Amino acid sequence: DAKTTQPPSMDCAEGRAANLPCNHSTISGNEYVYWYRQIHSQGPQYIIHGLKNNETNEMASLIITEDRKSSTLILPHATLRDTAVYYCIVRVESTDKLIFGTGTRLQVFP
Amino acid sequence: DAMVIQNPRYQVTQFGKPVTLSCSQTLNHNVMYWYQQKSSQAPKLLFHYYDKDFNNEADTPDNFQSRRPNTSFCFLDIRSPGLGDAAMYLCATSRDVGGPQHFGDGTRLSIL
Repeated sequence: DAKTTQPPSMDCAEGRAANLPCNHSTISGNEYVYWYRQIHSQGPQYIIHGLKNNETNEMASLIITEDRKSSTLILPHATLRDTAVYYCIVRVESTDKLIFGTGTRLQVFP
Repeated sequence: DAMVIQNPRYQVTQFGKPVTLSCSQTLNHNVMYWYQQKSSQAPKLLFHYYDKDFNNEADTPDNFQSRRPNTSFCFLDIRSPGLGDAAMYLCATSRDVGGPQHFGDGTRLSIL
């Protein structure tokens, strides 16, 4: 079973920051937080992952709380093309398995 | 561009008629995965290959088989498709176990 909880849907205005929360209160010390997204009719796309420290790349920022029980994915300037289902996944780095939860459907509107 | 390619994007087969879905990759990754995604659900891992080593998920039905003849190609065989097997089938790769996975755009399978 997925070990994360996400809101089922969120809206965001184009150009504004989209902040997607994820709860993972049972995360273990060796588990990473991964984020993927799935745009309609496409395969999932890797966004970012982290263990303890905040991470940033060209797509997004990942903020992990100090106790690691929750995290937030930030899309700094959402565009219409960011409309997708966003999945937060916890995963032991040495394992192969991605267990997808139900995700958050982000709708970016003009 | 290096990528994961799944052909065809749409596949129709008859109830009980064997069908094979294909996946190729130009990333030279060691690991290849097959996921099943039913309508309005999240992807679910069926099995994966690490190089030539096959790893089946415990709840994957026996009806589903896979072949990996070389690094670049991986096939999903459904021996006797039932109506419940209609789904999107996603192929993914990763350089090694534990790394980010790169997905193809899937093959949507319909059963008549």
